[in-house]
Amino acid sequence: GAVVSQHPSRVICKSGTSVKIECRSLDFQATTMFWYRQFPKQSLMLMATSNEGSKATYEQGVEKDKFLINHASLTLSTLTVTSAHPEDSSFYICSARLTSGNTGELFFGEGSRLTVL
Amino acid sequence: GENVEQHPSTLSVQEGDSAVIKCTYSDSASNYFPWYKQELGKRPQLIIDIRSNVGEKKDQRIAVTLNKTAKHFSLHITETQPEDSAVYFCAASKSRNQFYFGTGTSLTVIP
Repeated sequence: GAVVSQHPSRVICKSGTSVKIECRSLDFQATTMFWYRQFPKQSLMLMATSNEGSKATYEQGVEKDKFLINHASLTLSTLTVTSAHPEDSSFYICSARLTSGNTGELFFGEGSRLTVL
Repeated sequence: GENVEQHPSTLSVQEGDSAVIKCTYSDSASNYFPWYKQELGKRPQLIIDIRSNVGEKKDQRIAVTLNKTAKHFSLHITETQPEDSAVYFCAASKSRNQFYFGTGTSLTVIP
């Protein structure tokens, strides 16, 4: 299957700093990528849909100025957690669809565990 | 957006028994329903999916059923094995840019 790579897998930062997480589709072009947040033993909460060459679409309740998403190319989307605080500590995971249609398997990155001290 | 509900949140079964997980969705326009398995510390992996033009799909010990009228779909795992223990997520999608997950079911298969 298709490969989605996410980096870094773990990051620890101080409160007030910004952290960038990268999501790459290694062997296919992804015009759309999804960013999820997952708390321990909980579901995948869709944060935003990242569209190549245009602004991301954020879900209700997600601060777009807090979670900056950039999808500059067909193989790379980045999530920047700005001015991180301890409550931002979580598991962030990206995903991308292989097909160009409206159905099709979603491939996930390895996830990034963010810890804000 | 779409609202996907999943039950139960936890499920324990004896090895060899069957497990059933159910999901409901709110948007009648949703037309793609996959199921993902997430093992501890790993990324979710697709195990089976179904499209709205099909009522049932089976792949070895795993099957999924869809009732469009009632807007619910279910995952059935037969002859469960310890390696089936994981968290399972259902999802619903109606367009390329929309993909919503259920709340997850933690399945434990007791040897």
